[in-house]
Amino acid sequence: GENVEQHPSTLSVQEGDSAVIKCTYSDSASNYFPWYKQELGKGPQLIIDIRSNVGEKKDQRIAVTLNKTAKHFSLHITETQPEDSAVYFCAASRRGGGNKLTFGTGTQLKVEL
Amino acid sequence: SAVISQKPSRDICQRGTSLTIQCQVDSQVTMMFWYRQQPGQSLTLIATANQGSEATYESGFVIDKFPISRPNLTFSTLTVSNMSPEDSSIYLCSVERDAGYGYTFGSGTRLTVV
Repeated sequence: GENVEQHPSTLSVQEGDSAVIKCTYSDSASNYFPWYKQELGKGPQLIIDIRSNVGEKKDQRIAVTLNKTAKHFSLHITETQPEDSAVYFCAASRRGGGNKLTFGTGTQLKVEL
Repeated sequence: SAVISQKPSRDICQRGTSLTIQCQVDSQVTMMFWYRQQPGQSLTLIATANQGSEATYESGFVIDKFPISRPNLTFSTLTVSNMSPEDSSIYLCSVERDAGYGYTFGSGTRLTVV
C-alpha cells in the first residue's frame, strides 16, 4: 500500500518568513495530493490540492509543487502569519483505486511574532 | 463543498461500554470514510462505507470492534465497541467533495475512555 513520509515534524518560523513542508510517497500510481490544516480542537481543513497532471499550483500565499519522477511534493507558505500556526498534513490517494487518502505524519508549524 | 455534522463532539466513556458516533452530510455522497486520530498522531483510515453494501475495513480494524452502518446517502454511524483506554482518540468522518477529490472532514468526536 501507499506510504507517505512528511518532514519536518516541527517547524518554527518568524512572522513574514516562508515555510516549506515536504512529503514523499511510495505508490507511483497515486495521482491526487491534498494538504490539510488542522487547528487545535478542529477537524482537518483542505487548504490546497494538486493532481498529477500539473507540477505546481498556487492560491494566494500558499503553493504546492509536485515532482512525479521523484515522488515528492511540497507545501510552500509565504509571508507567514500567526494564524498559520497549526498542524499540517499531506496526503496521497489513487483516484479509482478506492479513493483512500493516506496521510503523512504531520508538521506542527509555529509562526512566532 | 459538503457540510458534515458529527455527533457527539466529545464524550467520556467507561471501559467495556460502546459509543455510536453519527455523521450527517448535507448532500448525497457515494462514499463515506471513517478515520481515527490518536493523540498527537496522524489520521488512520478505519473503513470505507458505501450505501447498500458492507463497509470495507483497513488492516488492523475489524467489524466486531468498529461496526458501521450506512442506511442512506447522507448518513453513517461508527460504533466503538467494548471500549478500552487505548480507544481514546478523535474519530472523524469524511466524504469526497468531487468524485475522488477534495475530501471534506467533520469536526470529529473526541473520545476518552476511563
